[in-house]
Amino acid sequence: DAGVIQSPRHEVTEMGQEVTLRCKPISGHDYLFWYRQTMMRGLELLIYFNNNVPIDDSGMPEDRFSAKMPNASFSTLKIQPSEPRDSAVYFCASSLAGGASYEQYFGPGTRLTVT
Amino acid sequence: GNSVTQMEGPVTLSEEAFLTINCTYTATGYPSLFWYVQYPGEGLQLLLKATKADDKGSNKGFEATYRKETTSFHLEKGSVQVSDSAVYFCALRMNYGGATNKLIFGTGTLLAVQP
Repeated sequence: DAGVIQSPRHEVTEMGQEVTLRCKPISGHDYLFWYRQTMMRGLELLIYFNNNVPIDDSGMPEDRFSAKMPNASFSTLKIQPSEPRDSAVYFCASSLAGGASYEQYFGPGTRLTVT
Repeated sequence: GNSVTQMEGPVTLSEEAFLTINCTYTATGYPSLFWYVQYPGEGLQLLLKATKADDKGSNKGFEATYRKETTSFHLEKGSVQVSDSAVYFCALRMNYGGATNKLIFGTGTLLAVQP
């Protein structure tokens, strides 16, 4: 399996522009997670989905952030309008439902820079 | 609420030194415990895990024992290598309730191993 795939790997944009980050989870996984990582705040869970349905979006910082999962193999995280404080590395992860073998598999991340 | 506390970094060691990274947790029940590792420029990957009290997780020479009496899951390695330089995250997952597939991460500990 190719693992969790994220695109783009790097994104540089100007303040006020719309940014869309993409994620393809591991085939067969039914949970998908979006995280944000910064030096100041560490690793933060933004939102997660189960069977394409958003379960907990309490970590989404504000209305400028939105996430969708139109099908089991694709999810997007959109920021509009973007601001310099959104600069971070955004990770997508996927997993199978619980059990002793539970593990979240992370993608390589998208490094977002908003100037 | 449920939380994870890790020792502050960075931890700087010479090659072949003994490593301990402390992790303690607060949880209302009996969680599963994990150590994830993040190498430079990559996403997080599972290093080891333990699902119940007194379990020992081990992988790549690293070990951690689930201690319920001290609510701890300290990471140890007898002889570190330069290639172990990375950020290490302790995490927990509650084994009951509605959010059983959400991981709660510590802040991460940077390990730097010098030759």
